[in-house]
Amino acid sequence: DAGVTQSPTHLIKTRGQQVTLRCSPKSGHDTVSWYQQALGQGPQFIFQYYEEEERQRGNFPDRFSGHQFPNYSSELNVNALLLGDSALYLCASRGRVGTEAFFGQGTRLTVV
Amino acid sequence: AQSVTQPDIHITVSEGASLELRCNYSYGATPYLFWYVQSPGQGLQLLLKYFSGDTLVQGIKGFEAEFKRSQSSFNLRKPSVHWSDAAEYFCAVAPWGAGSYQLTFGKGTKLSVIP
Repeated sequence: DAGVTQSPTHLIKTRGQQVTLRCSPKSGHDTVSWYQQALGQGPQFIFQYYEEEERQRGNFPDRFSGHQFPNYSSELNVNALLLGDSALYLCASRGRVGTEAFFGQGTRLTVV
Repeated sequence: AQSVTQPDIHITVSEGASLELRCNYSYGATPYLFWYVQSPGQGLQLLLKYFSGDTLVQGIKGFEAEFKRSQSSFNLRKPSVHWSDAAEYFCAVAPWGAGSYQLTFGKGTKLSVIP
């Protein structure tokens, strides 16, 4: 079982650019959530996808958007990048039964 | 809205000593409660969780946590710390109810272990 996998591991973008991060959930999981973890902080909930629809959203602007595909994998898109978007972006998945979330290793985004 | 407070930013203990990491939460009802551990550059690993029932919860790596409703606390404990326990620890809360799963994390407690 590969667990939750995220790509890329690291990337550097310029302010104003757009970025797409990818997540493959753990086998058997159908719900994917995204979190932003700034340096020295706890993760903050961005949004959750289930059945290819955004089900819940945290306090993040519309520049943050997402998508879930029929195979349950997910993308996080961030437009018009700001320096403050520099963070570790974590993907978590969970199954239909039970509420335990499994996290990926994260994507480290640096905006310069 | 729920919130989590971890009062200790950084704790240092000697290897073999006991450990207690504090967590207080704010939520209108009994939430789901979690402790996660994060090693440098890594994702989050679940140590233990509380949903209902016995208020003393056993987790992996010898950790346990006790839910105290009257104090809105969910403190993490370990009787004897190993050097490999050095990491950052996060307490988290999620709303009660099926289909509702949005983790709110504390700011974390960094644990250093002296050999």
